[in-house]
Amino acid sequence: GQQLNQSPQSMFIQEGEDVSMNCTSSSIFNTWLWYKQEPGEGPVLLIALYKAGELTSNGRLTAQFGITRKDSFLNISASIPSDVGIYFCAGELSGGSNYKLTFGKGTLLTVNP
Amino acid sequence: SQTIHQWPATLVQPVGSPLSLECTVEGTSNPNLYWYRQAAGRGLQLLFYSVGIGQISSEVPQNLSASRPQDRQFILSSKKLLLSDSGFYLCAYVAGYNEQFFGPGTRLTVL
Repeated sequence: GQQLNQSPQSMFIQEGEDVSMNCTSSSIFNTWLWYKQEPGEGPVLLIALYKAGELTSNGRLTAQFGITRKDSFLNISASIPSDVGIYFCAGELSGGSNYKLTFGKGTLLTVNP
Repeated sequence: SQTIHQWPATLVQPVGSPLSLECTVEGTSNPNLYWYRQAAGRGLQLLFYSVGIGQISSEVPQNLSASRPQDRQFILSSKKLLLSDSGFYLCAYVAGYNEQFFGPGTRLTVL
């Protein structure tokens, strides 16, 4: 099946630093989604991308849908302690009504105050 | 507005006991519904999905089953739990174009 390679697996940064993580795939996706999960909770949708080349921001978060449709990145600017969590990318192939997502394995972000 | 509920929030069950986890969605009709399991290694594994009442697709053959008795209700079950069934179970629905929104999850520990 499809696989998403998400990197880095973990990041340890100082408060105020910028963060960048990305996902790549051998398959073409029609949609890219980025989620954040905090301990003991369900993932929360941060940004959804629908067009190749699309660049979307949500506050300090910026994500892009790669031109090749095989990759996406998420940037977090000026990190703060509450940014701590696991960030997941997910891609959707579409072409059907089941809207199944393929998830990356996550990037664990730790922010030191 | 749409909301998704899961219960129980936590569950500790002995090996061999039955399981029933429930997921309900409010504020939408005929949503696609999904069950995922998340092990300690962080990855999200899709277990089942449903595009309508009584329609269940299984992604991974295993000790679990799913049912959708009502439009906005999705149930995950097992007749006999295994140790390997422990994990964090997440339910999700689709809204908007094809965005999945997750419930709060159920932490299952099988002893």
